[in-house]
Formats: sequence, C-alpha cells, structure tokens
Amino acid sequence: GNSVTQMEGPVTLSEEAFLTINCTYTATGYPSLFWYVQYPGEGLQLLLKATKADDKGSNKGFEATYRKETTSFHLEKGSVQVSDSAVYFCALSAGGYNKLIFGAGTRLAVHP
Amino acid sequence: NAGVTQTPKFQVLKTGQSMTLQCAQDMNHNSMYWYRQDPGMGLRLIYYSASEGTTDKGEVPNGYNVSRLNKREFSLRLESAAPSQTSVYFCASSGSGGVDEKLFFGSGTQLSVL
Repeated sequence: GNSVTQMEGPVTLSEEAFLTINCTYTATGYPSLFWYVQYPGEGLQLLLKATKADDKGSNKGFEATYRKETTSFHLEKGSVQVSDSAVYFCALSAGGYNKLIFGAGTRLAVHP
Repeated sequence: NAGVTQTPKFQVLKTGQSMTLQCAQDMNHNSMYWYRQDPGMGLRLIYYSASEGTTDKGEVPNGYNVSRLNKREFSLRLESAAPSQTSVYFCASSGSGGVDEKLFFGSGTQLSVL
C-alpha cells in the first residue's frame, strides 16, 4: 500500500543553519507529493507541493524536489529562522481522490 | 476569514460517553474530511465527504460516524467513547477533492477519554 516515511525528530538547529528533513514514499502509480507545516496550536497548512517527477516545489525559502528514482521528497531550507519552528509533515495523494497519506511528522526547533 | 472552524477545542469524556465534534467551513468547498493525529503516527483519515450528501470511510473509521449536514457542515460522532479514541481531531476541506488540491485545516479538537 501507499506510505510515507519521515526522519524522526526533533531536529534542533541554530538560526541561519541549513535544514534538511528527509521524506521517502511508497506508492503505486504516480502520486502527488506535499509538505504541510503545523505551527503550535494551529492546524496544518500547505507549505509546498510537486505533482510529477523532477518537479520542484518552493515556498517561503523552503524547497523540495520530487525524485522518482529514489522515491524521495526531501525538504530543504538554506537558512532557518526561529519562526520556522514547527512540525513538518510529508504527505502523498494517490488513487484518484485527494485522500492524503501523511508521514509521522518531524518537529523542528530553531534557537537564536 | 474564518476558514475551517471546529468546536469544541478541548473535551474530556468518560469511557462510554458520546459526543459530536462540529466542523464548518465558509469557503464554499465541496469536500470535507476528518483526520485524527496521534503521536508518532501522523494524521490518519477517519471519514471524508466528497460532496454534500455523500460520505465514505477512510483508513480508521471504526467507532465513528459522520454526518454531512449541508455543504458547510461536517460532524463527527463518537457513540461510545473508548480510551483508544484519545487523540487530536482535525477537520479539513478542499474545493472539489482533486488529487492536487490544497487542504484547509481547522485548529483541532483535543479529546481525552478516561
């Protein structure tokens, strides 16, 4: 079946450090891939998405590239800020309807 | 704009009690969803409604029922709560349910079943 695996957290970084959060997936067919972010006390928000192989999604300085050959969609940011502290979820959508399958989430803590 | 509104924000139940979680969206979306979030497991789909008048089971429907009251509202009912249903519940909506569509989430209901 379809599944998403994310690196375990928490990830703790200093401000301006480089961020990578790994995400790999298993899916039949050609899924769309997403990163959602959850700030404390809030619901999830879409951060970026990619709908086909080699697409790069980007938003707010975050990027992720859909790699079909490695079944990966790693999230990166060149310089994190304290305000980026949140839980990040990788997700896929497959099977003809928008029923997202989420990874377990990775908590990011950025310190000044 | 309110977006997706969930009530209540917090609830404590005793085993066997029943309750209904309410969700409403003001974006004229056709599709609505209920997820539960458990530590280490991400979000799992309980039920969804592709459009007004239809509902379908998701990954973890046992112990729950839903009602799509109208286009705006989608409620989740626990008929006889169990400790295993302690979780954070999120309602979400999207325009038409297309595979690439963005989901809009409410801020969640934290439910504890003792």
